[in-house]
Amino acid sequence: SQTIHQWPATLVQPVGSPLSLECTVEGTSNPNLYWYRQAAGRGLQLLFYSVGIGQISSEVPQNLSASRPQDRQFILSSKKLLLSDSGFYLCAWGGEQFFGPGTRLTVL
Amino acid sequence: QKEVEQNSGPLSVPEGAIASLNCTYSDRGSQSFFWYRQYSGKSPELIMSIYSNGDKEDGRFTAQLNKASQYVSLLIRDSQPSDSATYLCAVKGSGGYNKLIFGAGTRLAVHP
Repeated sequence: SQTIHQWPATLVQPVGSPLSLECTVEGTSNPNLYWYRQAAGRGLQLLFYSVGIGQISSEVPQNLSASRPQDRQFILSSKKLLLSDSGFYLCAWGGEQFFGPGTRLTVL
Repeated sequence: QKEVEQNSGPLSVPEGAIASLNCTYSDRGSQSFFWYRQYSGKSPELIMSIYSNGDKEDGRFTAQLNKASQYVSLLIRDSQPSDSATYLCAVKGSGGYNKLIFGAGTRLAVHP
């Protein structure tokens, strides 16, 4: 069966610090992968999606970037975090979008 | 801009009643429709998908789709307090890459 992992589960970072969130999927090959952000009390905002290694599409221009160095690995990064980057970051795979457990990021 | 609209709630129903959650979408070319349940502090969990007009039943859940009216709904029969959560409607638009557009969600509260 397929499993999706995300880490860390929670993160508190100061403004201006870098960020790296990792997502890995097990049990499937060449999945479509997605990064979403959910601000407190808000809906899901699609940030990036990838249909294969090295193929990244950005939905929202901002100070975040994504990379897919391996088939089942998806990384979300930032060089300098903003207060507005706080939120619940979710990785998902597949056409029906099965979600990982998420990373709750607080930028202070 | 393609949109998915849901009433934010909260929708409050007594235990054992039928909860009815509604969703409208703007992209007439949409072909796939999904309902997710999200407990507070947790990630969304896919509970139903529907692709053709009519009803689709799975246990206590029934999804209803009316493409002509651009309307999709989720019925929860015999509601339980454990059903209390936010329910997200998602629509796969007519564009590519399996992108889903999510509504903001309806919060459901089932009280004993």
